[in-house]
Amino acid sequence: NAGVTQTPKFQVLKTGQSMTLQCAQDMNHNSMYWYRQDPGMGLRLIYYSASEGTTDKGEVPNGYNVSRLNKREFSLRLESAAPSQTSVYFCASSEQNTGELFFGEGSRLTVL
Amino acid sequence: QQQVKQSPQSLIVQKGGISIINCAYENTAFDYFPWYQQFPGKGPALLIAIRPDVSEKKEGRFTISFNKSAKQFSLHIMDSQPGDSATYFCAASMQGGSEKLVFGKGTKLTVNP
Repeated sequence: NAGVTQTPKFQVLKTGQSMTLQCAQDMNHNSMYWYRQDPGMGLRLIYYSASEGTTDKGEVPNGYNVSRLNKREFSLRLESAAPSQTSVYFCASSEQNTGELFFGEGSRLTVL
Repeated sequence: QQQVKQSPQSLIVQKGGISIINCAYENTAFDYFPWYQQFPGKGPALLIAIRPDVSEKKEGRFTISFNKSAKQFSLHIMDSQPGDSATYFCAASMQGGSEKLVFGKGTKLTVNP
């Protein structure tokens, strides 16, 4: 059982380049999330999707877009990467309103 | 605005000792308080959680103590082991859900052999 799978695991971008982080879950969860983790800042919610076809902003949505492609997949796009977006990005999923988040292993992004 | 304040940032404990991590929250509408454990290179995973209708929850060596009037909750790790070395995050949310879960900044725990 793979759980939550993120690709790529590592990526280096130059300022201004674009890229998409992919996330897929095989637990049939309704809700999916994107968080970023920075040293000393904890986990901050970027966007979430409570169900297929819906997305909502979290705490730090600026500079990002998301797509809930279907129930399994939730992608995060950086249209014009900035050094401030250097971070580790985590995708997570949950059954709606159960409280438990299941996280992927993270995608480490460096923007030069 | 930080809604969940976690302390300490780092903690070093000897094997067999007690590790204590504290969190304080401001929003009285929070009604679900989980703790997540994260090992290096991995994503966080739910360790234990509590709802405000109880003051304490214990699972093995891990205990959450909850003080509703003080708006504080803490994680106690009894008989700490080197395998417990990880980063721990407290969190809080409203309506018992995982949507818009607000995390503390994390505590890096090191348990020395």
